[in-house]
Amino acid sequence: DAKTTQPNSMESNEEEPVHLPCNHSTISGTDYIHWYRQLPSQGPEYVIHGLTSNVNNRMASLAIAEDRKSSTLILHRATLRDAAVYYCILRGLMEYGNKLVFGAGTILRVKS
Amino acid sequence: GAVVSQHPSWVICKSGTSVKIECRSLDFQATTMFWYRQFPKQSLMLMATSNEGSKATYEQGVEKDKFLINHASLTLSTLTVTSAHPEDSSFYICSARDFRDRGNQPQHFGDGTRLSIL
Repeated sequence: DAKTTQPNSMESNEEEPVHLPCNHSTISGTDYIHWYRQLPSQGPEYVIHGLTSNVNNRMASLAIAEDRKSSTLILHRATLRDAAVYYCILRGLMEYGNKLVFGAGTILRVKS
Repeated sequence: GAVVSQHPSWVICKSGTSVKIECRSLDFQATTMFWYRQFPKQSLMLMATSNEGSKATYEQGVEKDKFLINHASLTLSTLTVTSAHPEDSSFYICSARDFRDRGNQPQHFGDGTRLSIL
């Protein structure tokens, strides 16, 4: 069963904020929410991760719902270089052997 | 930041050849490394988990005799595709976890190896 659910694709205009949603209704108490992105012909790149509180870094912000069943990756000002596949992944400490298992992700297209 | 180097970036070879791909952690020690495979327009599929000094753990459906994994040091893991055939053509990506990671840190990825078998 898929552990996270993301829209297949989203589109954004350059210089505008982007909100990428992720549903993870079966999240366990020790699962961290990780986001990675993959540009064409490259390996995945770490974006951000969190457990319960919202997180900010130089790349993005992560907003986590109070019940932790969903989260949103926020790119504050999308650029053409942000066009990529974005993966929302739960990383468990116990049940899933601490492996990163990738789902289908969201293809983000950025229009100039 | 942490860097994972993967070599070669791409390789083209004849059917029946064995191909070795190297994955190195450049500025940290990695007790655990992961190997993924990605077909065009698909997501990454985890093939195996490589632990330094012990046998790799393969995911269901992955042939361990076909995909040989060696993790002889804390900074190097290798994946050998033995007797490669056209259906093994894919994008292979390695990932490394810092030995200090207790389960809540980012995982670092190489840039991938494009393997094409003629």
